[in-house]
Amino acid sequence: GQNIDQPTEMTATEGAIVQINCTYQTSGFNGLFWYQQHAGEAPTFLSYNVLDGLEEKGRFSSFLSRSKGYSYLLLKELQMKDSASYLCAVRDLGDYKLSFGAGTTVTVRA
Amino acid sequence: DVKVTQSSRYLVKRTGEKVFLECVQDMDHENMFWYRQDPGLGLRLIYFSYDVKMKEKGDIPEGYSVSREKKERFSLILESASTNQTSMYLCASSLPPGGNSYEQYFGPGTRLTVT
Repeated sequence: GQNIDQPTEMTATEGAIVQINCTYQTSGFNGLFWYQQHAGEAPTFLSYNVLDGLEEKGRFSSFLSRSKGYSYLLLKELQMKDSASYLCAVRDLGDYKLSFGAGTTVTVRA
Repeated sequence: DVKVTQSSRYLVKRTGEKVFLECVQDMDHENMFWYRQDPGLGLRLIYFSYDVKMKEKGDIPEGYSVSREKKERFSLILESASTNQTSMYLCASSLPPGGNSYEQYFGPGTRLTVT
């Protein structure tokens, strides 16, 4: 199984940058996912990292260090619509399943 | 676009009732999943299926069963609903592992209340 930790809540100001950390412990690793979930809605896919380094996608970037069991999601130029829960999920080697962290609720204030 | 639909957005059932939650996906995905989501606990996998008529237990299968008679449809069954099964239930589908296209696509969720 997996042990996945991420902070429960973060608050930031519109236009600022927020970094959401995720640490994991796993017996095998085959990729880390970030999902965004607005209140009352389904999670939607944001990013996927399987190799070390930074993946950039517009205002959102995701970083992975496999040796440290660590990832972060970076949200730049925050907008009010970025207020949501952000879920970190890890896929085990050769597995169909994803194991999810409890999620980080980000609140963007004007 | 991938579309995953669930039969109900909100459902209220009584303790002891048999409950069926239906999920349909339109992208010919092999894999389908049922999760429940509770505050502070995140998404927890109940069951998943990697092919028609195939199923595997997830992390919390107790009190649930599933059925997959057709590739596009995956049903979650609560044989005898209990109050501790009050939760948000999310269905998801994906392609098999083996490439970058492994993200799971989620349905809108069913908020089930058992009274």
